[in-house]
Amino acid sequence: DAGITQSPRYKITETGRQVTLMCHQTWSHSYMFWYRQDLGHGLRLIYYSAAADITDKGEVPDGYVVSRSKTENFPLTLESATRSQTSVYFCASSESRGSNQPQHFGDGTRLSIL
Amino acid sequence: DAKTTQPNSMESNEEEPVHLPCNHSTISGTDYIHWYRQLPSQGPEYVIHGLTSNVNNRMASLAIAEDRKSSTLILHRATLRDAAVYYCILRDFSNSGYALNFGKGTSLLVTP
Repeated sequence: DAGITQSPRYKITETGRQVTLMCHQTWSHSYMFWYRQDLGHGLRLIYYSAAADITDKGEVPDGYVVSRSKTENFPLTLESATRSQTSVYFCASSESRGSNQPQHFGDGTRLSIL
Repeated sequence: DAKTTQPNSMESNEEEPVHLPCNHSTISGTDYIHWYRQLPSQGPEYVIHGLTSNVNNRMASLAIAEDRKSSTLILHRATLRDAAVYYCILRDFSNSGYALNFGKGTSLLVTP
């Protein structure tokens, strides 16, 4: 199906473990984004990517690593998970950088770190 | 991004039109007005955007004031599925391609 897909939808893990959240889009959009959503903070940008092999930090990048070897995939890795990283994570994509370009979001991954 | 102000919540009856207001008195000439919504347990969903003229699409209409200091998202016939948080966001060229500033939005309740 066309669109943006996140996996897994739900994940429970323990502190200190590595966990990778996957994001796949079928539109060949240049830009991809990772946000986290927490009560009281709204959505905050973690990392974004302008193209394959080009990534940059957002507002809250500490503790996260991203890569983008292919245009369609943008995985987010928590190298050593902490309880403060319990959140809902959303991946998004947009065709270009223009201010008239919408971002299209996945359904999110609900991550709990015990 | 310039700041937007929206009511915290609104209520509508099913099958009636809904007008969701947004104030953006500090909008600049190059700011686009975007609307997104987020249904419970889902990711944000793009609704509509515009610059100066009113816009229509299959989901909604966007009415932009002549001075562009306010706008209104219009849902022509609300359904229960339209119950969501609606966000009005300004996007300018200087930071486009980066984060969307969702703010608190308006929580829309639709009653049968």
